[in-house]
Amino acid sequence: RKEVEQDPGPFNVPEGATVAFNCTYSNSASQSFFWYRQDCRKEPKLLMSVYSSGNEDGRFTAQLNRASQYISLLIRDSKLSDSATYLCVVNANTGFQKLVFGTGTRLLVSP
Amino acid sequence: DTAVSQTPKYLVTQMGNDKSIKCEQNLGHDTMYWYKQDSKKFLKIMFSYNNKELIINETVPNRFSPKSPDKAHLNLHINSLELGDSAVYFCASSQEARGGGYTFGSGTRLTVV
Repeated sequence: RKEVEQDPGPFNVPEGATVAFNCTYSNSASQSFFWYRQDCRKEPKLLMSVYSSGNEDGRFTAQLNRASQYISLLIRDSKLSDSATYLCVVNANTGFQKLVFGTGTRLLVSP
Repeated sequence: DTAVSQTPKYLVTQMGNDKSIKCEQNLGHDTMYWYKQDSKKFLKIMFSYNNKELIINETVPNRFSPKSPDKAHLNLHINSLELGDSAVYFCASSQEARGGGYTFGSGTRLTVV
């Protein structure tokens, strides 16, 4: 079983739609969680951290369910510029940080 | 004023050659990493250094040798390149105590022919 699993997509949505991505992780000792965004042929960039109580940053909402080892990202009012691959990321170490990346979910927002 | 910079951006080389990729960060971070992203886009950690000390060494062929002359630099030397080494190699850095995720360089696209 992969340490971090995501549906690869692609998710094709029209502008203005709401879309949700899910992710599961296998290591129950994981300490911290993130969503990264990667544009084609570019480096991954931190989108947001994910906190136990859930957190929001503008149109983006992240949720964490430690009991189910499940992380989600909700994007409201999708923009064309949201088209990218969204990477679910888990810090698997209890000592030094070791970020383990999911394979990513591809989002395509069309006019 | 690039935060994490890698050179070269592109590298095309023949099988059997030896090549190096350099990485530098000016963020004052204490930890640096090398990740490999293969053709399936899967990002996998290779190495991590904290204040010049190797702290993570995943199952990587010993043809790959990282070197950290100081905490702002982490280089990757690859001996006897193979076709399967073709990938994008990303350098990243973080401040360990802060635990807030990594900042990535723009990547080095290595093609072995």
